[in-house]
Amino acid sequence: GENVEQHPSTLSVQEGDSAVIKCTYSDSASNYFPWYKQELGKGPQLIIDIRSNVGEKKDQRIAVTLNKTAKHFSLHITETQPEDSAVYFCAASSTGGFKTIFGAGTRLFVKA
Amino acid sequence: EAGVVQSPRYKIIEKKQPVAFWCNPISGHNTLYWYLQNLGQGPELLIRYENEEAVDDSQLPKDRFSAERLKGVDSTLKIQPAELGDSAVYLCASSSGVGTDTQYFGPGTRLTVL
Repeated sequence: GENVEQHPSTLSVQEGDSAVIKCTYSDSASNYFPWYKQELGKGPQLIIDIRSNVGEKKDQRIAVTLNKTAKHFSLHITETQPEDSAVYFCAASSTGGFKTIFGAGTRLFVKA
Repeated sequence: EAGVVQSPRYKIIEKKQPVAFWCNPISGHNTLYWYLQNLGQGPELLIRYENEEAVDDSQLPKDRFSAERLKGVDSTLKIQPAELGDSAVYLCASSSGVGTDTQYFGPGTRLTVL
């Protein structure tokens, strides 16, 4: 079946450094790729998303890149801050977002 | 605008007992999802509703899990009887469902089965 692999599972960076999380997906029909941030005791919150007709998207300190040929997409966080510490999930979906497969998550620690 | 509301936030029960979770989606959102999130894992879809119709329940363990969304608004997910392995966070999400993909999640219900 379809799956999404996410790496690394844990990432520790110094405040101000960049963080990169990578995902690969298997379903070539996937055309929507959201990223979620989940803080302790809360549900996942969408932070950025990208569609298959775009190669890159940026929102302030957060950017996402997509390589449809290789079935790779990545999240880049620049100038990390302690409040960026959380678990980040990538996801891939098709058919109007109705079938969304999530990665296993990356726990990001930003050390002050 | 209020987000997705779930209750209770936490539930502790003994195995073999029944349990129910409630979800109220964002107003106007026709699509509602129930997800299971095990510790250290991403959410996994249990069931998706389009209005009051369950259009994807292929991952719902129907021997003990059931769900309903009678009026196409709020929804209830039930487990009867609960097993130790059901301990997890149960997340509800909603989306407008009309040519859009973005799902908005509630805070989840953390279930502990003793």
